[in-house]
Amino acid sequence: DVKVTQSSRYLVKRTGEKVFLECVQDMDHENMFWYRQDPGLGLRLIYFSYDVKMKEKGDIPEGYSVSREKKERFSLILESASTNQTSMYLCASSLPGRLPEAFFGQGTRLTVV
Amino acid sequence: GDSVTQMEGPVTLSEEAFLTINCTYTATGYPSLFWYVQYPGEGLQLLLKATKADDKGSNKGFEATYRKETTSFHLEKGSVQVSDSAVYFCALSGSARQLTFGSGTQLTVLP
Repeated sequence: DVKVTQSSRYLVKRTGEKVFLECVQDMDHENMFWYRQDPGLGLRLIYFSYDVKMKEKGDIPEGYSVSREKKERFSLILESASTNQTSMYLCASSLPGRLPEAFFGQGTRLTVV
Repeated sequence: GDSVTQMEGPVTLSEEAFLTINCTYTATGYPSLFWYVQYPGEGLQLLLKATKADDKGSNKGFEATYRKETTSFHLEKGSVQVSDSAVYFCALSGSARQLTFGSGTQLTVLP
């Protein structure tokens, strides 16, 4: 069974903290993505990666960075958490190609207080 | 850039009712189109897809037809069940090789 695993389901952090969200996939997928999901806004792409040590900005990268040291792991970093980063964060992976069926993790609900 | 507009929710239906969730898109070229579903407490999973004009994607009784002339990909099901209660997302994959999602439509089916 294919799997994308996010390290935490729920997380509460304080304003100004550095926050790490971890994502691991076991499907040997080249592509990995981080989205945030907010009511009425759908999913918005933060960062993505098509290969190890490679990263590209998505639509809303401000306040975030990423790390991909190994093919199976893609980390999202909030350098200094702020209350407007309270959201549901979803990681996804896919194979390269024109039909990128994406497989999603269960999500991390982050609350910044 | 690419964009997806889908029907505002929430949508509430009785069991066995007919479902339509509208989705229209803007994209250059010939995007692939998708419907994803998110059940409560879970991540998104692919429901169906279509890669070219007039293709019909189908799965679990759901259908959607890629209409290039109207730039639409409406989701339909003839008879919904309580277990279909979820959030449905329309998405496209265009020239940028990424998925662009609509805002999602919450569906609640009452017994």
